[in-house]
Amino acid sequence: KNEVEQSPQNLTAQEGEFITINCSYSVGISALHWLQQHPGGGIVSLFMLSSGKKKHGRLIATINIQEKHSSLHITASHPRDSAVYICAVGQGAQKLVFGQGTRLTINP
Amino acid sequence: SQTIHQWPATLVQPVGSPLSLECTVEGTSNPNLYWYRQAAGRGLQLLFYSVGIGQISSEVPQNLSASRPQDRQFILSSKKLLLSDSGFYLCAWRELAGVETQYFGPGTRLLVL
Repeated sequence: KNEVEQSPQNLTAQEGEFITINCSYSVGISALHWLQQHPGGGIVSLFMLSSGKKKHGRLIATINIQEKHSSLHITASHPRDSAVYICAVGQGAQKLVFGQGTRLTINP
Repeated sequence: SQTIHQWPATLVQPVGSPLSLECTVEGTSNPNLYWYRQAAGRGLQLLFYSVGIGQISSEVPQNLSASRPQDRQFILSSKKLLLSDSGFYLCAWRELAGVETQYFGPGTRLLVL
């Protein structure tokens, strides 16, 4: 079993829909990261959180430390949100352990 | 502002040939540097990290090596490539003392034939 599990693996939705991507982890962490990888491969860090909730534009990330679970939400989704979303957990000062990613496709 | 560069962007190499991928960071000093690999259909995997010049830690045994000859330069090498070395290689940096956020380079897509 992977230390970081994401669901769903693939998600297709219509423009405007509310999107939720889930991440569960089984190890102790220092922080949890949400990353976005575009088709060209480049990766952008979206959020880093260790408790509670963060919001940036139409993106919202939450984490429940007790349940070892995080969610990434996208409101009013748009085709440009299409990407692979990756959950990663920080273990100590150096190591990030990554989930397999969720491929999101938003159709116009 | 800080920027991170990787080259080449794409590389096709025969099995058994050597490899050298370069990563440089601008606009910061004494960063932590990382090499990751993303194999087809798989998640990112940490290969090496460095906390300073000449200091390399390896996360997984393999035929790859890393070096940090300068503060903001990180090199990934191999003497003889294997088919299984194909993948997308990403370099990343973070501040030595600070938040855990890592900033990723554009990546190098390597195909070993």
